[in-house]
Amino acid sequence: SQQGEEDPQALSIQEGENATMNCSYKTSINNLQWYRQNSGRGLVHLILIRSNEREKHSGRLRVTLDTSKKSSSLLITASRAADTASYFCATVGGETSGSRLTFGEGTQLTVNP
Amino acid sequence: DTEVTQTPKHLVMGMTNKKSLKCEQHMGHRAMYWYKQKAKKPPELMFVYSYEKLSINESVPSRFSPECPNSSLLNLHLHALQPEDSALYLCASSQQGNQPQHFGDGTRLSIL
Repeated sequence: SQQGEEDPQALSIQEGENATMNCSYKTSINNLQWYRQNSGRGLVHLILIRSNEREKHSGRLRVTLDTSKKSSSLLITASRAADTASYFCATVGGETSGSRLTFGEGTQLTVNP
Repeated sequence: DTEVTQTPKHLVMGMTNKKSLKCEQHMGHRAMYWYKQKAKKPPELMFVYSYEKLSINESVPSRFSPECPNSSLLNLHLHALQPEDSALYLCASSQQGNQPQHFGDGTRLSIL
């Protein structure tokens, strides 16, 4: 079963605007990762944030993690049409979880030119 | 270009056929995974092969069977599949279980 929930399920914005996606989870984690999936393709890893980190940046991406609320957000700044894709958060649990990824339901982002 | 190669890209088979999906990585990763993904849903883990040990998602039916001939190859053997098994099958690899995974582009499987 998937422990992650993401909102919104779908997001449509104009090029140049910022896009924010949220992810919630239920159990303790080792780290949380964000992936992008273009239509008909495999997933591409974007960024990993460890449980002892609160914020991380990579280019136009900014990820925050709040372990007290069991939530994370992904911000894409100055969006481009090429950012159109599905975005998934995935958690890696503690030692008893076998270090497996548990994916959220995903957010479908559409960036209109 | 993806560093994880999956073949074939598309496969159409009848319910009585036997076929295999292949996955190869040359990154020296010690863990490889098979996922099943239905349209507009997240990937669901089927199998993990990590440090020469196989872990199975207990909900996966026995008509799917993984095989790991060596550390860079992971096959998925298919037999007597059902129409509900039609999906995108993704292979991934990682250096360790808690590290980022590298995905192939998948095999689109259709069961007639």
